[in-house]
Amino acid sequence: GQQVMQIPQYQHVQEGEDFTTYCNSSTTLSNIQWYKQRPGGHPVFLIQLVKSGEVKKQKRLTFQFGEAKKNSSLHITATQTTDVGTYFCAYNNAGNMLTFGGGTRLMVKP
Amino acid sequence: GAGVSQSPSNKVTEKGKDVELRCDPISGHTALYWYRQSLGQGLEFLIYFQGNSAPDKSGLPSDRFSAERTGGSVSTLTIQRTQQEDSAVYLCASSLHSGANVLTFGAGSRLTVL
Repeated sequence: GQQVMQIPQYQHVQEGEDFTTYCNSSTTLSNIQWYKQRPGGHPVFLIQLVKSGEVKKQKRLTFQFGEAKKNSSLHITATQTTDVGTYFCAYNNAGNMLTFGGGTRLMVKP
Repeated sequence: GAGVSQSPSNKVTEKGKDVELRCDPISGHTALYWYRQSLGQGLEFLIYFQGNSAPDKSGLPSDRFSAERTGGSVSTLTIQRTQQEDSAVYLCASSLHSGANVLTFGAGSRLTVL
């Protein structure tokens, strides 16, 4: 069956450093979404990627969907303490249901 | 409503008691999901409702867990004979329809089983 691995599980960075989280699938994905969950909060939608090789930017966040549509990444440039939280990728499985990756927990040291 | 509403926000119960958690999705959203999140962990899928189709119950961890969705709107997740390992935040989310659609989450119901 379809398996998506999200790495790393945890990442500590110094404020101002860059951060990247990856989602890697064993099969082709129709689309991928990214969500952010602040500590104590609930997941909030960030973006959706659909096209092969697609790149989208939101201020310091850059989202990419691989050419083969098997992997995706979220890159944050010059992290700030407000970036703290867990970042999840999510994808539609064979049953057309949204399934979440394990998440990457980002901690930023001021 | 404007967002996904969940109640109660916090529930403390004794082991062995039954609990009901309620989710009121965004009006017009046909897809509804329940997830469970233990402290510091990821999102564990429980159940998925889509319109009038039979729900996908493949994520329910045991037969003590059940959920229903009345009239295609409000959903109730019921946990019978609660156990300490059921302690977690239960998150509900809805989307306009299935497929490549964005989920809007509620604030969650934090369940503590003593």
